[in-house]
Amino acid sequence: DIQMTQSPSSLSASVGDTVTITCRASQDIIYYLAWFQQRPGEAPKSLIYGASSLQSGVPSKFSGSGSGTDFTLTISGLQPEDFATYYCLQYSSYPRTFGQGTKVEIK
Amino acid sequence: QVQLVQSGAEVKKPGASVKVSCKASGYIFTNYGISWVRQAPGQGLEWMGWISAHEGNTDYLQRFQGRVTMTKDTSTSTAYMELRSLRSDDTAVYYCAQGVYNGAWGQGTLVTVSS
Repeated sequence: DIQMTQSPSSLSASVGDTVTITCRASQDIIYYLAWFQQRPGEAPKSLIYGASSLQSGVPSKFSGSGSGTDFTLTISGLQPEDFATYYCLQYSSYPRTFGQGTKVEIK
Repeated sequence: QVQLVQSGAEVKKPGASVKVSCKASGYIFTNYGISWVRQAPGQGLEWMGWISAHEGNTDYLQRFQGRVTMTKDTSTSTAYMELRSLRSDDTAVYYCAQGVYNGAWGQGTLVTVSS
């Protein structure tokens, strides 16, 4: 199985900040990587797929990059509604595997 | 709009089975597979498996093999996930998702396993 390692596991940031979350795959997943946002008590929401393609309706403050084994999610101009947990997911092969999550908290 | 509506919360005893439903609307059901993902309390997301809504073929996470069955009813655009021989560590919110990487998700179904 492909292991997905996210870092950091948590971070504190202020409103208006730009943050970056990384995800590393244990083997080459080309660009078959997605990012999700999950607010407390809610279902995950798709943000990005194909490593860098923005899901319809998702604001451009979210951006993704990377290929192969190393990927990043950048969130610019943090707003209160962006404080949540973010997960990466590889869908290059079965079984699909998620990263362990990164909790973005208000400083 | 695309919607996945799941069945309600369940409380089960250890050793019992649970069957969660996921009714899809707003798209052609057979055009996308349905994934099942679970989240134990305070924990991360775990992909459990997937079913093709077109042909019904499945792929399960190895550690659920023999305990899980995913099915679908094309006539009602509904997918099902049955988990058997429940244990306390199966207590989790279970989600269905359209595809998995860029589709809609259901609202989640809390399954509590307790004696």
